[in-house]
Amino acid sequence: EPEVTQTPSHQVTQMGQEVILRCVPISNHLYFYWYRQILGQKVEFLVSFYNNEISEKSEIFDDQFSVERPDGSNFTLKIRSTKLEDSAMYFCAGNGVGDYEQYFGPGTRLTVT
Amino acid sequence: AQSVTQLDSHVSVSEGTPVLLRCNYSSSYSPSLFWYVQHPNKGLQLLLKYTSAATLVKGINGFEAEFKKSETSFHLTKPSAHMSDAAEYFCVVPSGTYKYIFGTGTRLKVLA
Repeated sequence: EPEVTQTPSHQVTQMGQEVILRCVPISNHLYFYWYRQILGQKVEFLVSFYNNEISEKSEIFDDQFSVERPDGSNFTLKIRSTKLEDSAMYFCAGNGVGDYEQYFGPGTRLTVT
Repeated sequence: AQSVTQLDSHVSVSEGTPVLLRCNYSSSYSPSLFWYVQHPNKGLQLLLKYTSAATLVKGINGFEAEFKKSETSFHLTKPSAHMSDAAEYFCVVPSGTYKYIFGTGTRLKVLA
């Protein structure tokens, strides 16, 4: 069964550093998402991406964040200058056209020190 | 705008007793609704989904949920809890361009 993969599983970085979180969605999916979950809190929507552009973004997704799908398979989330409060689990997800069910990756735990 | 409210942040049950996790939704139309489970330090696993077909939806691991439009509810139930059911459960409604709105989660504790 196809699955969404994310790398790395855990990333530790220093405040102010740039990080790139990577996701490989299921191949026939067309909508892609990033969510984050701060420890002990609910899962929050960050951004949705379709047809090589951002469809929607939350207020969390400020100028420090960017997404791209550089090669038609990887889907990346970049944080330009990490802050302590960016420490969270980041989930990638995707779905096909007309299908509300999203398929989630296992997540990347980002720790900013 | 779509939203979901999970009425209990924590639920404790004894092994072998029924489980009820409550979720109410707010939507201007009949929505799709999902329940996801997250075991400690794990990702999100789909338990079941309602997509306007049958109002009683059966999912994995013996869980089911009933969509009740009159009560705007989508409560998750299981007749008999197992120790392995201990996890965080999220009620989810899609909104806008398919994005998910998550409830605040219910942590289920199963007592031996």
